[in-house]
Amino acid sequence: GAGVSQTPSNKVTEKGKYVELRCDPISGHTALYWYRQSLGQGPEFLIYFQGTGAADDSGLPNDRFFAVRPEGSVSTLKIQRTERGDSAVYLCASSFSGGTYGYTFGSGTRLTVV
Amino acid sequence: AQSVTQLDSQVPVFEEAPVELRCNYSSSVSVYLFWYVQYPNQGLQLLLKYLSGSTLVKGINGFEAEFNKSQTSFHLRKPSVHISDTAEYFCAVIYNQGGKLIFGQGTELSVKP
Repeated sequence: GAGVSQTPSNKVTEKGKYVELRCDPISGHTALYWYRQSLGQGPEFLIYFQGTGAADDSGLPNDRFFAVRPEGSVSTLKIQRTERGDSAVYLCASSFSGGTYGYTFGSGTRLTVV
Repeated sequence: AQSVTQLDSQVPVFEEAPVELRCNYSSSVSVYLFWYVQYPNQGLQLLLKYLSGSTLVKGINGFEAEFNKSQTSFHLRKPSVHISDTAEYFCAVIYNQGGKLIFGQGTELSVKP
Protein backbone atom coordinates (compact mmCIF):
# COMPACT_ATOMS: atom_id res chain seq x y z
CA GLY A 1 0.00 0.00 0.00
CA ALA A 2 0.89 3.65 -0.08
CA GLY A 3 1.67 3.87 3.60
CA VAL A 4 1.72 1.90 6.84
CA SER A 5 -1.82 1.15 7.91
CA GLN A 6 -2.79 0.46 11.53
CA THR A 7 -6.15 -0.75 12.71
CA PRO A 8 -8.09 0.09 14.71
CA SER A 9 -7.17 3.75 15.14
CA ASN A 10 -8.75 3.73 18.59
CA LYS A 11 -9.45 0.88 20.98
CA VAL A 12 -11.11 1.06 24.39
CA THR A 13 -11.05 -2.13 26.42
CA GLU A 14 -11.73 -3.20 29.95
CA LYS A 15 -8.98 -4.16 32.33
CA GLY A 16 -8.22 -7.87 32.03
CA LYS A 17 -9.40 -8.24 28.44
CA TYR A 18 -7.38 -9.41 25.44
CA VAL A 19 -6.66 -7.08 22.49
CA GLU A 20 -5.12 -7.40 19.06
CA LEU A 21 -3.62 -4.51 17.13
CA ARG A 22 -2.95 -4.88 13.43
CA CYS A 23 -0.25 -3.38 11.23
CA ASP A 24 -0.13 -3.52 7.43
CA PRO A 25 3.33 -2.36 6.26
CA ILE A 26 4.44 -0.84 2.97
CA SER A 27 4.64 -3.48 0.27
CA GLY A 28 8.23 -4.65 -0.18
CA HIS A 29 9.43 -3.54 3.25
CA THR A 30 11.05 -6.55 4.90
CA ALA A 31 11.49 -5.00 8.35
CA LEU A 32 8.61 -4.18 10.68
CA TYR A 33 8.78 -2.51 14.09
CA TRP A 34 6.40 -1.98 16.99
CA TYR A 35 6.75 0.93 19.40
CA ARG A 36 4.70 2.24 22.30
CA GLN A 37 4.36 5.97 22.98
CA SER A 38 2.99 7.26 26.26
CA LEU A 39 1.87 10.84 26.68
CA GLY A 40 4.81 13.24 26.68
CA GLN A 41 7.35 10.51 25.97
CA GLY A 42 9.37 9.35 23.02
CA PRO A 43 8.46 6.12 21.26
CA GLU A 44 9.64 3.08 23.20
CA PHE A 45 10.87 0.07 21.20
CA LEU A 46 8.93 -3.16 21.64
CA ILE A 47 9.85 -5.65 18.89
CA TYR A 48 11.41 -5.80 15.43
CA PHE A 49 10.74 -8.35 12.68
CA GLN A 50 12.97 -9.15 9.74
CA GLY A 51 10.73 -11.16 7.45
CA THR A 52 8.68 -13.61 9.51
CA GLY A 53 11.04 -13.87 12.46
CA ALA A 54 11.48 -11.61 15.45
CA ALA A 55 15.01 -10.24 15.13
CA ASP A 56 14.84 -8.41 18.46
CA ASP A 57 12.04 -8.67 21.04
CA SER A 58 14.00 -7.16 23.91
CA GLY A 59 11.52 -4.31 24.35
CA LEU A 60 8.45 -6.40 25.13
CA PRO A 61 7.69 -5.46 28.75
CA ASN A 62 6.46 -8.87 29.94
CA ASP A 63 4.91 -12.12 28.75
CA ARG A 64 1.48 -10.53 28.34
CA PHE A 65 2.76 -8.96 25.12
CA PHE A 66 3.30 -11.03 21.99
CA ALA A 67 3.60 -10.22 18.29
CA VAL A 68 3.49 -12.28 15.12
CA ARG A 69 4.17 -11.78 11.44
CA PRO A 70 3.35 -15.18 9.94
CA GLU A 71 3.73 -14.38 6.25
CA GLY A 72 6.30 -11.63 6.45
CA SER A 73 3.82 -8.86 5.76
CA VAL A 74 0.95 -8.02 8.15
CA SER A 75 1.78 -8.11 11.85
CA THR A 76 -0.43 -8.40 14.92
CA LEU A 77 0.51 -7.20 18.39
CA LYS A 78 -1.38 -9.14 21.04
CA ILE A 79 -1.84 -8.04 24.64
CA GLN A 80 -3.32 -10.42 27.19
CA ARG A 81 -4.92 -9.49 30.52
CA THR A 82 -4.67 -5.78 29.76
CA GLU A 83 -3.80 -3.37 32.55
CA ARG A 84 -4.46 0.36 32.85
CA GLY A 85 -0.72 0.96 32.46
CA ASP A 86 -0.89 -0.50 28.96
CA SER A 87 -2.81 2.59 27.82
CA ALA A 88 -0.71 4.32 25.15
CA VAL A 89 -0.42 4.88 21.43
CA TYR A 90 1.02 1.81 19.73
CA LEU A 91 3.01 2.68 16.65
CA CYS A 92 4.02 0.42 13.82
CA ALA A 93 6.73 1.21 11.27
CA SER A 94 8.27 -0.55 8.32
CA SER A 95 11.46 -0.18 6.33
CA PHE A 96 13.78 -1.85 3.92
CA SER A 97 16.23 -4.19 5.63
CA GLY A 98 18.28 -2.55 8.39
CA GLY A 99 16.21 0.60 8.69
CA THR A 100 19.06 2.89 7.72
CA TYR A 101 16.97 4.70 5.12
CA GLY A 102 14.51 5.60 7.83
CA TYR A 103 11.30 4.05 8.93
CA THR A 104 7.82 4.91 7.68
CA PHE A 105 5.44 5.11 10.61
CA GLY A 106 1.74 4.46 10.73
CA SER A 107 -0.66 6.80 12.51
CA GLY A 108 -0.86 4.49 15.48
CA THR A 109 -3.54 2.78 17.54
CA ARG A 110 -4.60 4.61 20.67
CA LEU A 111 -5.31 1.95 23.30
CA THR A 112 -7.24 2.94 26.40
CA VAL A 113 -7.70 0.40 29.18
CA VAL A 114 -10.51 1.33 31.59
CA ALA B 1 23.61 1.50 27.96
CA GLN B 2 22.56 2.83 24.58
CA SER B 3 20.47 5.93 25.01
CA VAL B 4 19.51 9.23 23.42
CA THR B 5 19.22 12.44 25.41
CA GLN B 6 17.32 15.49 24.28
CA LEU B 7 18.40 18.20 26.64
CA ASP B 8 15.38 20.47 26.33
CA SER B 9 11.83 19.24 26.82
CA GLN B 10 10.33 22.54 25.63
CA VAL B 11 11.73 25.31 23.44
CA PRO B 12 9.63 28.46 22.99
CA VAL B 13 10.80 30.80 20.24
CA PHE B 14 9.46 33.75 18.29
CA GLU B 15 8.66 33.52 14.61
CA GLU B 16 11.64 34.20 12.27
CA ALA B 17 14.14 33.59 15.09
CA PRO B 18 16.80 30.87 14.80
CA VAL B 19 16.44 27.67 16.80
CA GLU B 20 18.64 24.80 17.92
CA LEU B 21 17.28 21.57 19.38
CA ARG B 22 19.93 19.57 21.17
CA CYS B 23 20.54 15.83 21.02
CA ASN B 24 23.29 13.70 22.53
CA TYR B 25 23.78 9.96 22.16
CA SER B 26 25.84 7.26 23.85
CA SER B 27 29.29 6.80 22.40
CA SER B 28 29.47 3.82 20.05
CA VAL B 29 31.54 2.33 17.25
CA SER B 30 28.83 2.93 14.69
CA VAL B 31 25.76 5.16 14.76
CA TYR B 32 23.12 6.21 12.31
CA LEU B 33 21.30 9.37 13.39
CA PHE B 34 17.82 10.66 12.64
CA TRP B 35 15.45 13.49 13.44
CA TYR B 36 11.70 12.95 13.26
CA VAL B 37 8.89 15.50 13.60
CA GLN B 38 5.42 14.85 14.97
CA TYR B 39 2.79 17.50 14.27
CA PRO B 40 -0.26 17.62 16.54
CA ASN B 41 -2.46 14.56 16.03
CA GLN B 42 -0.25 13.24 13.24
CA GLY B 43 2.27 10.44 12.80
CA LEU B 44 6.06 10.63 12.89
CA GLN B 45 7.71 12.06 9.78
CA LEU B 46 11.40 11.79 8.90
CA LEU B 47 13.12 15.21 8.80
CA LEU B 48 16.68 14.16 8.02
CA LYS B 49 19.27 11.46 8.62
CA TYR B 50 23.01 10.99 8.91
CA LEU B 51 24.49 7.67 7.75
CA SER B 52 28.01 8.64 6.67
CA GLY B 53 29.96 11.27 4.76
CA SER B 54 29.48 14.99 5.26
CA THR B 55 28.74 15.81 8.87
CA LEU B 56 26.29 18.58 7.93
CA VAL B 57 22.99 17.11 6.81
CA LYS B 58 20.15 19.06 5.24
CA GLY B 59 16.56 17.96 5.55
CA ILE B 60 13.06 19.04 4.69
CA ASN B 61 11.45 22.35 5.64
CA GLY B 62 14.80 24.17 5.91
CA PHE B 63 16.14 22.12 8.83
CA GLU B 64 19.72 20.91 9.10
CA ALA B 65 21.75 18.97 11.63
CA GLU B 66 25.43 18.48 12.33
CA PHE B 67 27.02 15.23 13.42
CA ASN B 68 29.78 15.83 15.97
CA LYS B 69 31.53 12.57 16.83
CA SER B 70 33.82 13.99 19.51
CA GLN B 71 30.89 15.51 21.39
CA THR B 72 28.49 12.64 20.52
CA SER B 73 25.93 15.20 19.43
CA PHE B 74 23.50 15.67 16.56
CA HIS B 75 21.85 19.06 17.11
CA LEU B 76 19.02 20.22 14.86
CA ARG B 77 18.98 23.81 13.61
CA LYS B 78 16.86 26.16 11.56
CA PRO B 79 17.91 29.76 10.84
CA SER B 80 14.38 31.18 10.78
CA VAL B 81 11.34 29.36 12.14
CA HIS B 82 7.69 29.66 11.12
CA ILE B 83 4.51 29.20 13.10
CA SER B 84 3.98 25.99 11.14
CA ASP B 85 7.14 24.49 12.66
CA THR B 86 5.33 24.12 15.98
CA ALA B 87 5.56 20.39 16.71
CA GLU B 88 7.32 17.71 18.75
CA TYR B 89 10.80 16.81 17.52
CA PHE B 90 12.47 13.48 18.23
CA CYS B 91 16.12 12.53 17.86
CA ALA B 92 16.72 8.83 17.21
CA VAL B 93 19.74 6.55 16.79
CA ILE B 94 20.50 3.13 15.36
CA TYR B 95 23.51 1.71 17.20
CA ASN B 96 26.00 -0.65 15.58
CA GLN B 97 23.73 -1.33 12.60
CA GLY B 98 21.38 -3.07 14.98
CA GLY B 99 18.23 -2.16 13.09
CA LYS B 100 16.11 -0.74 15.88
CA LEU B 101 15.71 3.00 16.39
CA ILE B 102 16.18 4.31 19.91
CA PHE B 103 14.35 7.57 20.50
CA GLY B 104 14.96 10.49 22.77
CA GLN B 105 12.22 11.92 24.97
CA GLY B 106 11.33 14.64 22.49
CA THR B 107 11.49 18.43 22.39
CA GLU B 108 8.34 20.45 22.03
CA LEU B 109 9.03 23.43 19.76
CA SER B 110 6.53 26.23 20.19
CA VAL B 111 6.77 29.10 17.72
CA LYS B 112 5.02 32.30 18.77
CA PRO B 113 4.07 35.25 16.57
